[in-house]
Amino acid sequence: DVKVTQSSRYLVKRTGEKVFLECVQDMDHENMFWYRQDPGLGLRLIYFSYDVKMKEKGDIPEGYSVSREKKERFSLILESASTNQTSMYLCASSLAGGGTGELFFGEGSRLTVL
Amino acid sequence: SQQGEEDPQALSIQEGENATMNCSYKTSINNLQWYRQNSGRGLVHLILIRSNEREKHSGRLRVTLDTSKKSSSLLITASRAADTASYFCAPWGNTDKLIFGTGTRLQVFP
Repeated sequence: DVKVTQSSRYLVKRTGEKVFLECVQDMDHENMFWYRQDPGLGLRLIYFSYDVKMKEKGDIPEGYSVSREKKERFSLILESASTNQTSMYLCASSLAGGGTGELFFGEGSRLTVL
Repeated sequence: SQQGEEDPQALSIQEGENATMNCSYKTSINNLQWYRQNSGRGLVHLILIRSNEREKHSGRLRVTLDTSKKSSSLLITASRAADTASYFCAPWGNTDKLIFGTGTRLQVFP
């Protein structure tokens, strides 16, 4: 069965800390995505990647970076966490590019920055 | 922007009733997808309808697409309490990403 695994379901960090959110997929998908979800704002795309070592900015990349060293793993990095980055973070992967095929989502990582 | 806009924002019904959610978008599309999200969880793909299709069924789900009106609807027949979730549409045109709206929150009361 298809699986996208996010390493932490809940995290609490302090302002200024460096935060790593890890996402692993076992479907050999080329494409991986990071979204954040906030009440009233829906899902917003942060970064995505179409291949190993490739990354593209989404709609809200400021304050974030990503790493894709292996095909199955896509990491989201908050270099210096701030309170406005408190949110639910969702990772997804897809076999086909763009929206040609379905996205498979992880269970989400709820990050609180104090 | 390729973002879809779901309507209504919230919907409450009794078990056994039908639930209809609508999605409007602004630009031409190749396909439109619907997803469900249970509270605090990730999104799950429900159905994909291509621009040359007008209607698609999957179990108790029926999706329609009207490209002339730039709108789609998701009908859930004979709703169950387990259908309680948020539902999102994602219209896709010639871009390299899927954009989601704010969703419709469906509450089904037993």
